Amino acid sequence: KQEVTQIPAALSVPEGENLVLNCSFTDSAIYNLQWFRQDPGKGLTSLLLIQSSQREQTSGRLNASLDKSSGRSTLYIAASQPGDSATYLCAVSPGGSTLGRLYFGRGTQLTVWP
Amino acid sequence: GAVVSQHPSWVICKSGTSVKIECRSLDFQATTMFWYRQFPKQSLMLMATSNEGSKATYEQGVEKDKFLINHASLTLSTLTVTSAHPEDSSFYICSAKKTGGVVSNQPQHFGDGTRLSIL
Repeated sequence: KQEVTQIPAALSVPEGENLVLNCSFTDSAIYNLQWFRQDPGKGLTSLLLIQSSQREQTSGRLNASLDKSSGRSTLYIAASQPGDSATYLCAVSPGGSTLGRLYFGRGTQLTVWP
Repeated sequence: GAVVSQHPSWVICKSGTSVKIECRSLDFQATTMFWYRQFPKQSLMLMATSNEGSKATYEQGVEKDKFLINHASLTLSTLTVTSAHPEDSSFYICSAKKTGGVVSNQPQHFGDGTRLSIL
């Protein structure tokens, strides 16, 4: 069974810092990997989706990389802002599935203070 | 685009009550919808996959008679928690994939979740 681990569990940084969130998964046979943001008591907002054939995706200040063979992904946030404070979740869609089910990590709770 | 609406956002009810949660894709058609449950500081756990016009597929350990899923149209799936008890209290989130294309490579679009509290 696919297991997804996220490190660190929590991170607190001052505004302006560049930071890296880590995600690892046990089964490298994936279709894609997705990063989400979750605000307290809310649903998920999709940030970036990386197909298994891709190595990275960028959106604004966010950059996600994927090393499928080693089972790792990183989310890089440049010039962090207080509005970036949220929980960031990593999820993988396993290979061989046409239904696109997702396996989630427990998330990294990010706090950016002014 | 790709907005998913979930209703209600918060429910408090007595033990033994049945509660229905709706998940609607507002601006796209979704053949497949997913229902997740999330306990505090835990990850999202897939409960079931809902397919329009057919029976839902439940994950191991999820009681299908307890959590009834109906996906009667391409824009609506419902989850009914029957005879809810305090241990069913949780955050329930639905997601939907757009119809068409390679299903497994389509992103999932999530609702805002429903917080269920059973007294």
